[in-house]
Amino acid sequence: EAGVAQSPRYKIIEKRQSVAFWCNPISGHATLYWYQQILGQGPKLLIQFQNNGVVDDSQLPKDRFSAERLKGVDSTLKIQPAKLEDSAVYLCASSQTGLPKGETQYFGPGTRLLVL
Amino acid sequence: GNSVTQMEGPVTLSEEAFLTINCTYTATGYPSLFWYVQYPGEGLQLLLKATKADDKGSNKGFEATYRKETTSFHLEKGSVQVSDSAVYFCALILTTDSWGKLQFGAGTQVVVTP
Repeated sequence: EAGVAQSPRYKIIEKRQSVAFWCNPISGHATLYWYQQILGQGPKLLIQFQNNGVVDDSQLPKDRFSAERLKGVDSTLKIQPAKLEDSAVYLCASSQTGLPKGETQYFGPGTRLLVL
Repeated sequence: GNSVTQMEGPVTLSEEAFLTINCTYTATGYPSLFWYVQYPGEGLQLLLKATKADDKGSNKGFEATYRKETTSFHLEKGSVQVSDSAVYFCALILTTDSWGKLQFGAGTQVVVTP
């Protein structure tokens, strides 16, 4: 079974530039998550999709971050304009149903972003 | 609010030593509890989980027991190997939420030396 795919693996940009990350979840998984992991901290949920609808984006800085999951499969996370504090690893994960019953979330390798 | 607290690292051990990583949580209701591991250069992967009080999760020689009375989920392994060097994250999902959002601790780095 193929895992969660993410690209690019690394990205370096100047502040105020824009950047986009792509994620392809495990086939058949209804739920897709984007997490932000700042160095030395645990991952923090940015947004959660159920199929192609958003069910939680309470911690997404909506003035600069946006995300979409067209057709309920692949997803793109965008930052525009980037700030220095956005330097982090962006993790994509997926799960079968998204229900809060101890279901396993499967993570991709992450995209490491450095904003200069 | 809901939170997970785990012991700070790095934890440095010799091969074959006993490992314990403490994890305590604060949550409304009874969450599901998880340990995820991040090996160098790799993504997060589930190590083990427990979904109700007194459940014991186990995998690859690691164990953790869901203790409701002490709100803890400590990770243990009896004899570590160099290949166990990684960052370990304790996490919870609130079963009272509509959707399963993982809330992580800060992570504990474990370094095992030969």
